[in-house]
Amino acid sequence: SQQGEEDPQALSIQEGENATMNCSYKTSINNLQWYRQNSGRGLVHLILIRSNEREKHSGRLRVTLDTSKKSSSLLITASRAADTASYFCATHGSSNTGKLIFGQGTTLQVKP
Amino acid sequence: GAGVSQSPSNKVTEKGKDVELRCDPISGHTALYWYRQRLGQGLEFLIYFQGNSAPDKSGLPSDRFSAERTGESVSTLTIQRTQQEDSAVYLCASSTAPGAGNTIYFGEGSWLTVV
Repeated sequence: SQQGEEDPQALSIQEGENATMNCSYKTSINNLQWYRQNSGRGLVHLILIRSNEREKHSGRLRVTLDTSKKSSSLLITASRAADTASYFCATHGSSNTGKLIFGQGTTLQVKP
Repeated sequence: GAGVSQSPSNKVTEKGKDVELRCDPISGHTALYWYRQRLGQGLEFLIYFQGNSAPDKSGLPSDRFSAERTGESVSTLTIQRTQQEDSAVYLCASSTAPGAGNTIYFGEGSWLTVV
């Protein structure tokens, strides 16, 4: 079963609006990562938030983590057409194998 | 190399044939991972290497799938007697070391179509 589940599955917004994607997971984690995938291409690492962190920023990205609810959110502010992509959350379990478990992803479309 | 390199980028094969997919990780990265992604789906973990050994191969879907790594560098994922359900993009990734907190870098993937 998937460790991470993203919500919504698909999101369509206008350029300039903010986009919020949510991720829920099932087991205890060491950290949670967000990745971006342009259509037909590999994944690009966006941001990592550790289990003892509650919020992290990187440019127009803001990630929150609520370990009590086992959930995370990714906010993209002032979206651009170039942000159109699929976004995945991924978690490391509490063991140290490095195995990342990915969710199904949210497909974001930003209309110019 | 500058990034994770995978070959071939695209492969069309007939059902029943064997295929080999190659991954060149970032130089110096000891950890190497293989994932599978079916169309419109998330990533399925297949196997992970630390050096040349595979501590976790729990995701390999059947005994038709195998992988090896040599010289703590290049890895090959082999699929024997391919089936149509094997059609997917196979993504390789590497990191400086296994373990939580290390960023994992992905290649562009090998698109496999079994006809």
